[in-house]
Amino acid sequence: AQSVSQHNHHVILSEAASLELGCNYSYGGTVNLFWYVQYPGQHLQLLLKYFSGDPLVKGIKGFEAEFIKSKFSFNLRKPSVQWSDTAEYFCAVNPTGTASKLTFGTGTRLQVTL
Amino acid sequence: NAGVMQNPRHLVRRRGQEARLRCSPMKGHSHVYWYRQLPEEGLKFMVYLQKENIIDESGMPKERFSAEFPKEGPSILRIQQVVRGDSAAYFCASSPSQNTGELFFGEGSRLTVL
Repeated sequence: AQSVSQHNHHVILSEAASLELGCNYSYGGTVNLFWYVQYPGQHLQLLLKYFSGDPLVKGIKGFEAEFIKSKFSFNLRKPSVQWSDTAEYFCAVNPTGTASKLTFGTGTRLQVTL
Repeated sequence: NAGVMQNPRHLVRRRGQEARLRCSPMKGHSHVYWYRQLPEEGLKFMVYLQKENIIDESGMPKERFSAEFPKEGPSILRIQQVVRGDSAAYFCASSPSQNTGELFFGEGSRLTVL
């Protein structure tokens, strides 16, 4: 069975700092990869996804993620965070062709200070 | 276009009672997924349903838990004889087809068992 690890549980950054959140997965076959975000008091929403093609994926609000197959990683990045990026970020994976049954990491809580 | 609607948002039950959580998927979506989030943990897959069919219930506890998605009406996650360990946030998600990979989440139902 696949699993997802997010090593940073809680990250505190000042506005304008650069962000990188780690995500590693374990699975032997091809996978689809996702980052979801949950803003305070809101539902989870898709930030970006990777199915195939260019391993550098751009999402909403200036976020991007890079799929490095050799490292089984899909780290999330943003060059300059804003206070409004304060949220919880979840990495998720599902084996290709297995419907939308996602396996989630435990999440990273990002706090951006002014 | 309304999003995924879950109710109740908060539910308090005493040990031994039943809990019923409802989920109305987005319009046009026929695939429903239930996830559970325990404190300090990521979202764990429970069950995947299409109209009138349970497709994958590999994440459902073997006893006391059941789910349905009838032809008419919302999907229902039912927990009988609740115990304190059932206290969690239960999230419903929907998708328009089987393999899009993108799930649209509701705001969750938070169950507290006293």
